[in-house]
Amino acid sequence: SAVISQKPSRDICQRGTSLTIQCQVDSQVTMMFWYRQQPGQSLTLIATANQGSEATYESGFVIDKFPISRPNLTFSTLTVSNMSPEDSSIYLCSVTGEVADTQYFGPGTRLTVL
Amino acid sequence: QKEVEQNSGPLSVPEGAIASLNCTYSDRGSQSFFWYRQYSGKSPELIMFIYSNGDKEDGRFTAQLNKASQYVSLLIRDSQPSDSATYLCAVNLRGYQKVTFGTGTKLQVIP
Repeated sequence: SAVISQKPSRDICQRGTSLTIQCQVDSQVTMMFWYRQQPGQSLTLIATANQGSEATYESGFVIDKFPISRPNLTFSTLTVSNMSPEDSSIYLCSVTGEVADTQYFGPGTRLTVL
Repeated sequence: QKEVEQNSGPLSVPEGAIASLNCTYSDRGSQSFFWYRQYSGKSPELIMFIYSNGDKEDGRFTAQLNKASQYVSLLIRDSQPSDSATYLCAVNLRGYQKVTFGTGTKLQVIP
């Protein structure tokens, strides 16, 4: 499976600021996904990022709050904008595997908003 | 009705026993089924996937799928304390690229 890295691994931010999370893969992948995992909860898909097209957002998530870039087949960023304490969460990127529909996750970014 | 349902646990089993984790899903057209293991503070790790009715074995792990009952399970034989983690069931719903996750079952293997 692909090796996935995320930066930063964790951050503590002030209310009203923005944070950009980077996801880097060691091989080219068609689809990348961004998830949020709030404390004690399961994973919630934020959006699907395809290279060369606009990201597809899930219900409850909007581009103004979570802008996503996908400049090439190995890299994506997720920005959490105008943060509030409710945005405190773990943010995970994932990529599709070689076997149909499988996904592999990066190590995650633990965000705390004060 | 939740799309993917799991008992949150914790499920406690003694070391060496068989742990049985269960998951039900609502969309009868679901096609792909996954089990992820998530250790505390870590990201999910794919351990099994199954597409067809029946059993699929990989080492100490067996995934079982029954599409008629909309039920998928994971059996862990000879459970070890290192198996203690949260196990997430995930389902690929018909017509979508995305995978939907259950809330996970916490497994505790008691030495």
